[in-house]
This record gives sequence, structure tokens and C-alpha cells, in this order.
Amino acid sequence: DGGITQSPKYLFRKEGQNVTLSCEQNLNHDAMYWYRQDPGQGLRLIYYSQIVNDFQKGDIAEGYSVSREKKESFPLTVTSAQKNPTAFYLCASSIQGPMNTEAFFGQGTRLTVV
Amino acid sequence: EDKVVQSPLSLVVHEGDTVTLNCSYEVTNFRSLLWYKQEKKAPTFLFMLTSSGIEKKSGRLSSILDKKELSSILNITATQTGDSAIYLCAVWTKRQLTFGSGTQLTVLP
Repeated sequence: DGGITQSPKYLFRKEGQNVTLSCEQNLNHDAMYWYRQDPGQGLRLIYYSQIVNDFQKGDIAEGYSVSREKKESFPLTVTSAQKNPTAFYLCASSIQGPMNTEAFFGQGTRLTVV
Repeated sequence: EDKVVQSPLSLVVHEGDTVTLNCSYEVTNFRSLLWYKQEKKAPTFLFMLTSSGIEKKSGRLSSILDKKELSSILNITATQTGDSAIYLCAVWTKRQLTFGSGTQLTVLP
């Protein structure tokens, strides 16, 4: 079945650590996105990529980094510079972006700082 | 800066009630408006509304886009406990998909 796979589902980070969240899609979509969700704040865009080897900052990119070396993969690294990383992270993809099309979501990764 | 605002932020109703959720937007280069339902983890797609398709209906859910007022509503009739979820509104612009804060709907038996 086609879809988006995020891993791990739960992740614990110690202070000062970098952690990487995985996002893989087999939908043959060109565009991929990372969102952060905090209670009562909806989804905020961290980074997006419309094509391999290219990506753009979203509204809250500080403290995060991404790469897009393959069409299927768009990993997100939460660096130690992100001071409040505890949140729910959602990866999404669309055929192209932006255009009038549905964006598909993975099941998310819940990151907690310990 | 693109902005999408949803209201109310939360809503509690009883089974059988009808609810109306609101979404207004202030964006450059509007392309389309999407509604999603989020129960636990991944948001699931409900509707997409564009200039050429301003009204959609699926079962007990329906949605209308008002391009003049820059807003949309999502109606749910004869609500059921399974409708309890966060309902997200999002707008495609030239640059990205921007989401509102969501409406938390709770349907009591």
C-alpha cells in the first residue's frame, strides 16, 4: 500500500542532543513537508521541499535542519539549538506543491525532551 | 504574512446536534482551501474547495467556500460520538499549505 511512514513513533531527547526523525513515502510525490503541532496551535510549517536536492524554510525553521537526497526521503534533524522541541511532528507529501491537491500525512513522531 | 483563523477553538455538543465550524483566511495568492479531520495522529482529508468548486458534500458533512468573505464553513449534521476530533482548515498559497489552529469538537452521547 502507498503511504507515508514516519519513525520512530515516540522519541526522547536529552538536553544538548541532536535527533533525527525519519519520513519515507512511496507515493511518488515530488513535494514533502514537515510540520510541528503543539496543543492549541494547529500545524506550523518547519521546512518543505518541492524537488530533490532543494528545500525551503517554513515559518519556524530555527533549530531544525533537513535534507532531500532522494525523492522518497525527507529526514528532519532537531538540533540542540531548538530550545523547546517537545511537540508532535508530522510529515506530509503532495504530488507537486503548492497546487490544488490533497496533502497526505504520516502518523507522526512525538518528541519529548527529558 | 499568510494567516488562517478557525473558530471556535473548542466545541462540546450532544449526539444529534448540528455544528458549524468556521475558517477565515488572509493570504496572498489563494489557490484552494482544504478541511482535515484529526482524531489521534495523522490528519485525514475531508474536502478541497477551489474557485471552481465552492461547495462540497459527503454524507452528513458539507462545506462552503465564500471567496468574497474569504471564509469557509464546515457543517456536520446529526453528530455522532465518532465525529469527536480536531478539525483543521488549511489554505494552499503560491508558497505553501498554511493551517489554522483547529477546532476541537467533542460529541457527548
